Amino acid sequence: NAGVTQTPKFQVLKTGQSMTLQCAQDMNHEYMSWYRQDPGMGLRLIHYSVGAGITDQGEVPNGYNVSRSTTEDFPLRLLSAAPSQTSVYFCASSDLQGTYGYTFGSGTRLTVV
Amino acid sequence: AQSVAQPEDQVNVAEGNPLTVKCTYSVSGNPYLFWYVQYPNRGLQFLLKYITGDNLVKGSYGFEAEFNKSQTSFHLKKPSALVSDSALYFCAVRERGQGGKLIFGQGTELSVKP
Repeated sequence: NAGVTQTPKFQVLKTGQSMTLQCAQDMNHEYMSWYRQDPGMGLRLIHYSVGAGITDQGEVPNGYNVSRSTTEDFPLRLLSAAPSQTSVYFCASSDLQGTYGYTFGSGTRLTVV
Repeated sequence: AQSVAQPEDQVNVAEGNPLTVKCTYSVSGNPYLFWYVQYPNRGLQFLLKYITGDNLVKGSYGFEAEFNKSQTSFHLKKPSALVSDSALYFCAVRERGQGGKLIFGQGTELSVKP
């Protein structure tokens, strides 16, 4: 099925550990983005990309790195996990104009202990 | 900077009554506006969008939204609420042009009681 695939669905990390959240889309979308969802705060934009080799910061980029080596993939890296990064993470993609809406992955629930 | 406000954390409606979920926005120029719905432990589902044209936009599941440029609002409406409409609703705004960021409001919890 065409769409946005996120892995893993659940993850528990210890403080200080690193990990990569994977995001892949098969719709040839130029635009990809990462959000975190916390209760009462909606979805906040972490990083986004408008194409391979191009990334930019969103509202809450600290503690996260991204890269975009291909159109299909947009991994999110936590270099040294902190309890404040406990959240649900969503990846989304769209065409550059965004006129057809955005397609979201099913999310990754991350707990940092 | 663009921003979205959903002034109500929760909206309670009786089944069969009309519902409104409010959204106001701030963005330079004419925006793209979206509504998404999230059911418990699920991802976000697209409901409807305003890009241009008619200010009244119709979307999925009988929902509609009215774009009001002078009031910078994009309220979500449904003439007759269902218990199954109970969910978390998000309004989002995007600046026009290529590669614009999609920014979300904080969400409104809709509860429809029988």
